[in-house]
Amino acid sequence: AQSVSQHNHHVILSEAASLELGCNYSYGGTVNLFWYVQYPGQHLQLLLKYFSGDPLVKGIKGFEAEFIKSKFSFNLRKPSVQWSDTAEYFCASSGFQKLVFGTGTRLLVSP
Amino acid sequence: GAGVSQSPRYKVAKRGQDVALRCDPISGHVSLFWYQQALGQGPEFLTYFQNEAQLDKSGLPSDRFFAERPEGSVSTLKIQRTQQEDSAVYLCASREEGTAKLFFGSGTQLSVL
Repeated sequence: AQSVSQHNHHVILSEAASLELGCNYSYGGTVNLFWYVQYPGQHLQLLLKYFSGDPLVKGIKGFEAEFIKSKFSFNLRKPSVQWSDTAEYFCASSGFQKLVFGTGTRLLVSP
Repeated sequence: GAGVSQSPRYKVAKRGQDVALRCDPISGHVSLFWYQQALGQGPEFLTYFQNEAQLDKSGLPSDRFFAERPEGSVSTLKIQRTQQEDSAVYLCASREEGTAKLFFGSGTQLSVL
């Protein structure tokens, strides 16, 4: 069965610190991978996605993620976080049709 | 419209009451999804439509949950005889064909007392 694991539930960082959020997926077939962000009081927005090709994917707002097939991982990174990155981050995978989400990581960036 | 629109934004129901949640997808989007997001959890898939056809309803938690999209655009998620465990944010999303990108609405926060 398709599943996504996010091991960090809460992360607290100071501004300018580097960020890496872990994501592991479980799916035997061709998989599409996503990171979504939910800012306080707002709807889910797509940060970046991976379908095929270059395993290093660049998204909006300076975020990137690396698909490592051998580790079934798709970790999200940002070299230097800002206070405005405070939000909840969801990793997701899709097989045939539906999108399956992880439980999310709540990031708090202190100024 | 400019985005996926859901109404109402908030709904408070007494236990046992029936509720109906509405989703207006982005015009022209063929695929529509419903998700349930409990507090502190990620969105959980409920059901999926392609046009008016409900292709997957494997995530509906019980037969009290029913979704329809009769004309292939607006969709309604109905919950009968609501229970406290139904309290959650119900998210609707529509998909842009060709990119597999989902656009989410702001959700309906349902509180069952």
